[in-house]
Amino acid sequence: AQTVTQSQPEMSVQEAETVTLSCTYDTSESDYYLFWYKQPPSRQMILVIRQEAYKQQNATENRFSVNFQKAAKSFSLKISDSQLGDAAMYFCAFGNFGNEKLTFGTGTRLTIIP
Amino acid sequence: EAQVTQNPRYLITVTGKKLTVTCSQNMNHEYMSWYRQDPGLGLRQIYYSMNVEVTDKGDVPEGYKVSRKEKRNFPLILESPSPNQTSLYFCASRVLGSYNSPLHFGNGTRLTVT
Repeated sequence: AQTVTQSQPEMSVQEAETVTLSCTYDTSESDYYLFWYKQPPSRQMILVIRQEAYKQQNATENRFSVNFQKAAKSFSLKISDSQLGDAAMYFCAFGNFGNEKLTFGTGTRLTIIP
Repeated sequence: EAQVTQNPRYLITVTGKKLTVTCSQNMNHEYMSWYRQDPGLGLRQIYYSMNVEVTDKGDVPEGYKVSRKEKRNFPLILESPSPNQTSLYFCASRVLGSYNSPLHFGNGTRLTVT
């Protein structure tokens, strides 16, 4: 069974600074995909970014980018120019081909300091 | 607007009183799933369905039932709720077989069982 580990229960960053949230996973599969979801206080689950394992290029969405290290099974999320609206719980999720289930990590609560 | 609709948003009940949380999606997704979110545990899958009349257990199915009589609806049933089922519940859907398509989530149901 796949496992997803987010080792930072809480993080904080000064507004306009950069922060990196870590995520590691364990799998024997070679084809899979990874997501970061954001959950603000409204508790909506919002997709931030996705990465397919076969793609070597790291995904980027505006201020959000990932550092995908397949050999190390690491998938960290970098938020640049942090904004107050980035304050949320962030979940890393793993899915693999042939299995529709997403496995989630335990989450990292990000606080933005004005 | 494409969405997953869950009701109710908040629910307080007593031990043993049967309840149903409804979930409906308007995106014609084959795959639907229920997750529960608990502090420090992330999101854990309860049940999922890959099509009408096809359902299967996730990681934490005990105490829950589901049905999928129509493609758009996937209700979660607690026949005899207990306090350990106090949690935040999410319904989600996605396109089946499109491996990088993300889960679309409902807005969550906060359930308290006293």
